[in-house]
This record gives sequence, structure tokens and C-alpha cells, in this order.
Amino acid sequence: SQQGEEDPQALSIQEGENATMNCSYKTSINNLQWYRQNSGRGLVHLILIRSNEREKHSGRLRVTLDTSKKSSSLLITASRAADTASYFCATDGGGSNYKLTFGKGTLLTVNP
Amino acid sequence: NAGVTQTPKFRVLKTGQSMTLLCAQDMNHEYMYWYRQDPGMGLRLIHYSVGEGTTAKGEVPDGYNVSRLKKQNFLLGLESAAPSQTSVYFCASSHGTYPTGELFFGEGSRLTVL
Repeated sequence: SQQGEEDPQALSIQEGENATMNCSYKTSINNLQWYRQNSGRGLVHLILIRSNEREKHSGRLRVTLDTSKKSSSLLITASRAADTASYFCATDGGGSNYKLTFGKGTLLTVNP
Repeated sequence: NAGVTQTPKFRVLKTGQSMTLLCAQDMNHEYMYWYRQDPGMGLRLIHYSVGEGTTAKGEVPDGYNVSRLKKQNFLLGLESAAPSQTSVYFCASSHGTYPTGELFFGEGSRLTVL
């Protein structure tokens, strides 16, 4: 079964606006990761946040993690048309888990 | 660096035929994974390997077999293809760290089973 669930399933915004995507998960985790997938391509790692971290930044990306609510959010500021892609969160299952489970993704469309 | 390379990129099979997808990585990674991606389902883990000679089942292993005879290669086999195995298959690899860190993905192999 899916560990992470992204919300919304689809998001359409104008260039320059901020985009926020959310991820909820079910079990304890060691870390949570966000990936981007351009249409027809493989996934690309964006950012990893550990379970003892609450917020992390990378360029125009800001990720938050609330382990008490088992949720994370990805904020893309000042979006560009090139940010159009699907975004996935991925979690391990905590403990001695070596595998990542992905959610179904959020399709972000940034209109010029 | 090539990173993670998948072959073939496209394949059409008839029901009952067999085939093997090859994944090769040149980053000396310990862990390797096979996922399938279907519309509305996200990525689902088929099998994975935490080192040469080891394999383990993921979320949807039925109908697939894997082998990791060499550290750099991870093979996914379909012994008797079914239309339900029509999908895009992604291979990924990562360093042998715990907890699991960043995954590096290939560009995908699109399989159609008629």
C-alpha cells in the first residue's frame, strides 16, 4: 500500500506564484524525500529531510516536516514554467527499512 | 557519467512471451531497485537488492523475477508476460547507507503487453 499521499493531485498556477504541495504518510520514518519527474523522464531527487528536522531549504525549495501529524509540505517559490512536472514524496518505513515508498504525486502546471 | 542506464527503452510483447530488462549503474552503489509506474498509481516497488547476490520482494513482486549477479547490474525478468504488466519500469540505485538516502533513477523502460 502507498505510504505517502500527496495533495492536491493537480495544481495549476501562474509563473511567479508560489506552489505548495503536501504529503501525508502512515508510519514512522527516518527521513522523507521529495522528487520531481518531468513528463516521460525518470525521477530526480530534490531534497531530503530527516525525522529530527523541521524545515529545510534548497534554492527556491522549502520543505517542512511535522512528525506529530505525519505530514510534510514542499513549497516552490517564484515558480517558473520549467517547474512544470510531477512531484512525489517518498518515505522509508523507519526501523531497519532499506526501501522507499512513493506517493501518487502532484502534477504541477506553471502557466507562462 | 552515465548514472543509471536501462535497456531496452521500449518493448512490445505478446501475452506469454518472456523478456528481461537490464539496469546498469556506474556509481558503485550497493542498493538497487525496480519500480513500476502506472497512471494514477504512482510508483510501486517490485523487487530490490541491498548488495551483490541478494534480492528481496517489494510491494508487487508477483510475475517478476530478479537477479543481481554483479554489483553494477540488476535484471528484471518477466517469464510469461500478461497485459497487466503493461507499464513503465524504472530502475534506481543508491549508496549503501542507512537510512536510505537519495535514489538515482534511470529514464525508464516502456513495456506494452498485447
